[in-house]
Amino acid sequence: DAGVTQSPTHLIKTRGQQVTLRCSPKSGHDTVSWYQQALGQGPQFIFQYYEEEERQRGNFPDRFSGHQFPNYSSELNVNALLLGDSALYLCASSLPPWGVAYGYTFGSGTRLTVV
Amino acid sequence: KQEVTQIPAALSVPEGENLVLNCSFTDSAIYNLQWFRQDPGKGLTSLLLIQSSQREQTSGRLNASLDKSSGRSTLYIAASQPGDSATYLCAVRNNAGNMLTFGGGTRLMVKP
Repeated sequence: DAGVTQSPTHLIKTRGQQVTLRCSPKSGHDTVSWYQQALGQGPQFIFQYYEEEERQRGNFPDRFSGHQFPNYSSELNVNALLLGDSALYLCASSLPPWGVAYGYTFGSGTRLTVV
Repeated sequence: KQEVTQIPAALSVPEGENLVLNCSFTDSAIYNLQWFRQDPGKGLTSLLLIQSSQREQTSGRLNASLDKSSGRSTLYIAASQPGDSATYLCAVRNNAGNMLTFGGGTRLMVKP
């Protein structure tokens, strides 16, 4: 049973560039959330996608955008990269948002370094 | 706004000790609380999920308790092993919204 798959695992970008990170949810899950984890800190919620729409958003600027495809996979796009965007980006999948009895399954993350 | 705090931030114990990790949250209107393990540079592995109506959950040597009214949860690890060395994160899911709010984690080192 495949869990949450993220790609790439590592990425180095230059300040000002744009980046796209990808996530495939766990089989049977249709809701995808993205989190940013700075070194030594807990993850921070970016946004959540369900039925190809952004359902909820955390306190992140519009430079952070996303997309969900009909097969439930998702992309996170970050424009005009800043040094402070360097972090581990985690994707989490779950059952529909109203399935509150269920927990989240996380992927291994994408380590983004902005130089 | 929900805030989650984990104490201590770091802990070093000899192998075989029983230990308790603490998590506190400011808003008791939660759906559930989830404990995760994170190895250096890796993703999160779910350890235990406690629903708001439950008091505790157990899995092997791990036991997590929840006192929603006081805004506290504890993760108890029995007979610690060097392989338990990792960062442990707690996260709450509020009644309002579907996101998880995480604490800063407790970095555990179990020495042989």
